[in-house]
Amino acid sequence: LAKTTQPISMDSYEGQEVNITCSHNNIATNDYITWYQQFPSQGPRFIIQGYKTKVTNEVASLFIPADRKSSTLSLPRVSLSDTAVYYCLVGEDNYGQNFVFGPGTRLSVLP
Amino acid sequence: NAGVTQTPKFQVLKTGQSMTLQCAQDMNHEYMSWYRQDPGMGLRLIHYSVGAGITDQGEVPNGYNVSRSTTEDFPLRLLSAAPSQTSVYFCASSSQIGIGNTIYFGEGSWLTVV
Repeated sequence: LAKTTQPISMDSYEGQEVNITCSHNNIATNDYITWYQQFPSQGPRFIIQGYKTKVTNEVASLFIPADRKSSTLSLPRVSLSDTAVYYCLVGEDNYGQNFVFGPGTRLSVLP
Repeated sequence: NAGVTQTPKFQVLKTGQSMTLQCAQDMNHEYMSWYRQDPGMGLRLIHYSVGAGITDQGEVPNGYNVSRSTTEDFPLRLLSAAPSQTSVYFCASSSQIGIGNTIYFGEGSWLTVV
């Protein structure tokens, strides 16, 4: 299993762009990179997934360099409601049992 | 539009009691799993199933039992509750096929063992 390393916490202000980087030096050829968001007292929810280069959806962008040893989740213009824990997961897209959740990054958005 | 449904939401148990956390999904997903999350920690996989009749252990299976008699249901049984099992439990499901399969989580079950 590819181990991931993320900052434990980050602070930001409303309206700013937030970039959360995840290191995964031992990523395997078949591994995908997936980010989840978890609000207090709720289950995690899927944000974005990618394999290489850049992926963008209505919520976030995911940047993956050519060597795939890291990835960056970018949240444009955050609001107070983006305060949550963000998890970077690396694993095969196969049944999901290879996905291991680390402690995540606790993002606090301040007014 | 139910997704993954867990019951009960909250439960208090005495040490040694047994109980079952229920989980049901209506998305016809083959894969289902149970996680526990302790305060300030990430999620740890307890048991998972890749289809009806098939279950396997995750990272922290001791003290828990599962079965998968139907595609929709995946109950988690605590055999003899211990204070160390006080945690929030999340059930999850995903489709086993295709690129970009998302894991869908339930709202969680808060369990306290006294």
